[in-house]
Amino acid sequence: NAGVTQTPKFRVLKTGQSMTLLCAQDMNHEYMYWYRQDPGMGLRLIHYSVGEGTTAKGEVPDGYNVSRLKKQNFLLGLESAAPSQTSVYFCASSYPGQLNSPLHFGNGTRLTVT
Amino acid sequence: DAKTTQPNSMESNEEEPVHLPCNHSTISGTDYIHWYRQLPSQGPEYVIHGLTSNVNNRMASLAIAEDRKSSTLILHRATLRDAAVYYCILRDRPGGATNKLIFGTGTLLAVQP
Repeated sequence: NAGVTQTPKFRVLKTGQSMTLLCAQDMNHEYMYWYRQDPGMGLRLIHYSVGEGTTAKGEVPDGYNVSRLKKQNFLLGLESAAPSQTSVYFCASSYPGQLNSPLHFGNGTRLTVT
Repeated sequence: DAKTTQPNSMESNEEEPVHLPCNHSTISGTDYIHWYRQLPSQGPEYVIHGLTSNVNNRMASLAIAEDRKSSTLILHRATLRDAAVYYCILRDRPGGATNKLIFGTGTLLAVQP
């Protein structure tokens, strides 16, 4: 059972380049989330999705877009990368809220923007 | 969302119990108390959660104050593999909007051999 898989694990971008981070889960979870983590800080929620075809903004959505075309995948896009987006990105998934179920996290994508 | 307050860091010796405190004085009656931990270079992992009563699982115990304004995560015998950042998080009741978690900065636990 793979759980939550994030690709790529590492990436270096130049300012202005674009890229897409992929998150895949095999637990049939309805909810999925993207967080970023900066040094000395906790995780901050970027965007989340409560089901296929739906997305919503979290605490720090600016500069990012997301898509949830398939239940098992949640994509995070950076259209024009900036150095301020240098961070470690974590994806997570869970069952719906009424089960108060835990979030399952991937092991992160380390992104550097130069 | 209600906030939590945790010490920035704590130290423990291997094979001794560890008590990690969390204050949440503005907790609402329907907030669950969740604990996650993050090992080095990994994503956070779920540890335990509770509402009012103390809870035990294979990883840890959660002791919740009677007024629910504080809680303590208890690791009964710390091992070197328990060295991690521990996050105490308040979460909306089941059926609340999104299940999302709002993280603070957590407690960095160091375990000495």
